[in-house]
Amino acid sequence: GAGVSQSPRYKVAKRGQDVALRCDPISGHVSLFWYQQALGQGPEFLTYFQNEAQLDKSGLPSDRFFAERPEGSVSTLKIQRTQQEDSAVYLCASSTGLDYNEQFFGPGTRLTVL
Amino acid sequence: AQSVTQLDSQVPVFEEAPVELRCNYSSSVSVYLFWYVQYPNQGLQLLLKYLSGSTLVKGINGFEAEFNKSQTSFHLRKPSVHISDTAEYFCAVIWVTGFQKLVFGTGTRLLVSP
Repeated sequence: GAGVSQSPRYKVAKRGQDVALRCDPISGHVSLFWYQQALGQGPEFLTYFQNEAQLDKSGLPSDRFFAERPEGSVSTLKIQRTQQEDSAVYLCASSTGLDYNEQFFGPGTRLTVL
Repeated sequence: AQSVTQLDSQVPVFEEAPVELRCNYSSSVSVYLFWYVQYPNQGLQLLLKYLSGSTLVKGINGFEAEFNKSQTSFHLRKPSVHISDTAEYFCAVIWVTGFQKLVFGTGTRLLVSP
């Protein structure tokens, strides 16, 4: 498809488990963003890539959160030793990166930590 | 701190009635402004955006919004709503001091009834 895809769509983890969430951006998009959306809240910025470079990770809530985009395309958000407060929808967005351009969002991954 | 405020968590309205969803942001420095819509189990879709120029912006599905710099507001309006407009609406801002990080409000749930 032509849009941003994310997998899995739903993930249930036991507290303490590690999880990996995948984002496939629109082909050719330079910029990639991760957002976290807690229940009843708006999305909150986690981190930003321009190609393979992670230019801002100021929104990552703890050192248990790690994101990578090694080849400048697919990105993975990894959460180690998951906690209940990590339960949220994780949204990925991509854009062309030219000046300002629209961010296109994927459907998100709903993570539930038991 | 940069923040976006959507005071109304829920707005009930009858079909074919007009609606206004309010959005205020914290600073009057140069900003880009957006409204996104989120349908259940779907990603965010851009309704409209203000980057520069005319302060009245028209978007998809008959929505429009007006940028008011002095009041730091960007309220969303539609003259006649449909049942299908029932969704969550998010106001978002980019402060043009760095890169393209979106800061979202907490959202307003629009409930359209017959």
